[in-house]
Amino acid sequence: NAGVTQTPKFQVLKTGQSMTLQCAQDMNHEYMSWYRQDPGMGLRLIHYSVGAGITDQGEVPNGYNVSRSTTEDFPLRLLSAAPSQTSVYFCASSYSGVQSTDTQYFGPGTRLTVL
Amino acid sequence: AQKITQTQPGMFVQEKEAVTLDCTYDTSDPSYGLFWYKQPSSGEMIFLIYQGSYDQQNATEGRYSLNFQKARKSANLVISASQLGDSAMYFCAMRLTGTYKYIFGTGTRLKVLA
Repeated sequence: NAGVTQTPKFQVLKTGQSMTLQCAQDMNHEYMSWYRQDPGMGLRLIHYSVGAGITDQGEVPNGYNVSRSTTEDFPLRLLSAAPSQTSVYFCASSYSGVQSTDTQYFGPGTRLTVL
Repeated sequence: AQKITQTQPGMFVQEKEAVTLDCTYDTSDPSYGLFWYKQPSSGEMIFLIYQGSYDQQNATEGRYSLNFQKARKSANLVISASQLGDSAMYFCAMRLTGTYKYIFGTGTRLKVLA
């Protein structure tokens, strides 16, 4: 049981490049989400999904796209990278998206630098 | 609007002593969950403890306990018998029933001194 996995661990991009951050979970969780972590700002929600085929925006969605074709995978796409997107990105999952008792489990994170 | 506030950006504690990390929250919703996560220098987010808004007793998990004061809207994390490995960033988070969003505080960096 690998839990939540993310690839790559580190990435450097040039301004304007696009890329996809991969996230997968093997816990059969319905709810998956992407956060970015910036110094002094905690974690901010980018996008989330409550099941295959269903996604929605979080607090800071601009510049990012997501899709959820399977329960296991939830990739995050940067369409045209900007220096403001330099951050640490975390993927997380929980059993469902409904109950306040649902604990989120996090992947190891991806450190992204945009030059 | 819902909000989590952690007012202590950094704290020090002597090894083997207890420490309390503060967390206050703001919501008018009666049903919610409160979580604490630990982020060591290696970067991963580790779930520590959960408290439900309707729970009558304070949650405990080993050396971690949550001092839940509903009227004050506070959910402080207490770490007993601190260890050097407890040095990390700690985040408080809230989840409202029926919403799909978790709200995080800005974190408290704890340093345990030998």
